[in-house]
Amino acid sequence: EKQLVESGGGLVQPGGSLRLSCVASGFTFSSWSMSWVRQAPGKGLEWVSYLSSTGTIYYADSVRGRFTISRDNAKNSLYLQMNSLRVDDTATYFCATGGGYGTWGPGTLVSVSS
Amino acid sequence: DIQMTQSPSSLSASLGDRVTITCRASQAIRNDLNWFQQRPGKAPKRLIYDATTLESGVPSRFSGSGSGTEFTLTINSLQPEDFATYYCLQHNAYPRTFGPGTKLEIK
Repeated sequence: EKQLVESGGGLVQPGGSLRLSCVASGFTFSSWSMSWVRQAPGKGLEWVSYLSSTGTIYYADSVRGRFTISRDNAKNSLYLQMNSLRVDDTATYFCATGGGYGTWGPGTLVSVSS
Repeated sequence: DIQMTQSPSSLSASLGDRVTITCRASQAIRNDLNWFQQRPGKAPKRLIYDATTLESGVPSRFSGSGSGTEFTLTINSLQPEDFATYYCLQHNAYPRTFGPGTKLEIK
């Protein structure tokens, strides 16, 4: 059974940084593309970033230049480095498999506030 | 970017009812459309992929149809656990875009 678990969320001041992690199990992580999706409190789902198994990367316009997606296949892990955080980045961040999001983690909450 | 709309935005129904949710894309996306269910405080769960294929383990009362720009999710014989928010997602192009969601509530 595929499983994903995110970590690294927390409270950070505007302009600060956080690094989110997503650990995968139950499947051959290195063969799968992965994505980050976020959800602001009480709002809908927003795609954030995508990283293919071969290194192709896409970002949403709202995070391009501030966020960096990466992976470590030896550790079955996906990362999201978030810099220059803004109040409107406050959300629960989910990692999900592929480009169609068949499996999701439970999410990690990022709060950006002074 | 491909814009996704959903209707209705909210829906009240009774146990045993049949409901239909519609999702429209701003341009043709073939059948590159997935449906998700999200319960409060939980991660989304994929119900249907590629417009019509039921995810393994999802009850057969859920079904999807459509292609091109118009898609529907139908739930037959509503059960208590079906009351949740439903989202569509186009996976035809980047940026990926979700519909705004349909909240299904008990009447």
